[in-house]
Amino acid sequence: GNSVTQMEGPVTLSEEAFLTINCTYTATGYPSLFWYVQYPGEGLQLLLKATKADDKGSNKGFEATYRKETTSFHLEKGSVQVSDSAVYFCALTRYTGNTPLVFGKGTRLSVIA
Amino acid sequence: NAGVTQTPKFRVLKTGQSMTLLCAQDMNHEYMYWYRQDPGMGLRLIHYSVGEGTTAKGEVPDGYNVSRLKKKQNFLLGLESAAPSQTSVYFCASSDQGRVPEAFFGQGTRLTVV
Repeated sequence: GNSVTQMEGPVTLSEEAFLTINCTYTATGYPSLFWYVQYPGEGLQLLLKATKADDKGSNKGFEATYRKETTSFHLEKGSVQVSDSAVYFCALTRYTGNTPLVFGKGTRLSVIA
Repeated sequence: NAGVTQTPKFRVLKTGQSMTLLCAQDMNHEYMYWYRQDPGMGLRLIHYSVGEGTTAKGEVPDGYNVSRLKKKQNFLLGLESAAPSQTSVYFCASSDQGRVPEAFFGQGTRLTVV
């Protein structure tokens, strides 16, 4: 079946540090990949997405590249801010018969000033 | 533009009580989902609906029932006899059809079963 594995947290970084959150997936065929972010007390919101191999999703300084050869979709940001403190979820879906989103367990990021 | 609205936001139940969580979306989306979020477990799909009058089981459906009568109306999640193991944060989401539709989430319902 489809599954997502992401690095366990929590991750604590100083402001302006480089961020990487690893995500690997297992799926048949060609899934679409997503990163969602959950700020404290809120629901999830889409951060970025990629639909095919070698696509790069980007938003708010975050980037992730769809790597089919390594089945990975790692999230990166060059310089994190305190406001980036949140829980980040990697997710996938296959849009054949509307397969629902499958999520990783989430990685909590805390950025300290 | 309300998006996805969940009610209630908080609820405390006694073991064995029943309740219904309500989810409404104003985006005319075909698909709606109920997830539960537990520490260290991420989001797990309970039930989902791909259109009016249709529902399907997700990863953790036991102890829950759902109802979706009309596409634009509420997607209801019912607990017939609440158990402490159902203490969780519940999220409703919706998405449209299409190649890569974005899922929109509600703010969540925090349920405690004592």
